[in-house]
Amino acid sequence: EAGVVQSPRYKIIEKKQPVAFWCNPISGHNTLYWYRQNLGQGPELLIRYENEEAVDDSQLPKDRFSAERLKGVDSTLKIQPAELGDSAVYLCASSPGRDFNTDTQYFGPGTRLTVL
Amino acid sequence: DAKTTQPPSMDCAEGRAANLPCNHSTISGNEYVYWYRQIHSQGPQYIIHGLKNNETNEMASLIITEDRKSSTLILPHATLRDTAVYYCIVRVGSNFGNEKLTFGTGTRLTIIP
Repeated sequence: EAGVVQSPRYKIIEKKQPVAFWCNPISGHNTLYWYRQNLGQGPELLIRYENEEAVDDSQLPKDRFSAERLKGVDSTLKIQPAELGDSAVYLCASSPGRDFNTDTQYFGPGTRLTVL
Repeated sequence: DAKTTQPPSMDCAEGRAANLPCNHSTISGNEYVYWYRQIHSQGPQYIIHGLKNNETNEMASLIITEDRKSSTLILPHATLRDTAVYYCIVRVGSNFGNEKLTFGTGTRLTIIP
């Protein structure tokens, strides 16, 4: 079974430029998460989708960050414009859906963003 | 979700059992204990979770004290590939599940050859 796929793995941009990250969850997983992980810290949730609906985006900085999951499968996270403080690893995770016994979250390898 | 406290780092000799402690003294009755680990340059990986009873799977064992205020993750025969940051997370279970995971800074476990 293929895992969570993310691209690109690494991205270097200058501040004020836009950037986008792509995630393809495990097939059949209804729930998709975007986390951000700063150096030396644990991941922090940015947004959670149930199918195509964003059910928790309280931690997403909406002035510059946006996300979409139009067909309830893959998802894109965008930053525009990027700031120096956005340098981090952006992780995507997925889980099967509304069944607590199988709500394990499976993470992708992440995209390491460096803003210069 | 209840806060957890873990030692920042630990060493363990290869082949020995690695015992990683976690304190969660404010845990509520409906909160589960989860363990994830993160190997360098990879995303976090689920290990095990439990509510009250001790749990074991192919990766590890989870020992939860009777008062549920602390737990220990045991890797029975540590290998070099077990070198990683280990996160202890306490979160509410629900019929919907899929709630966010609140990560702390974890324990950096180094397996010594």
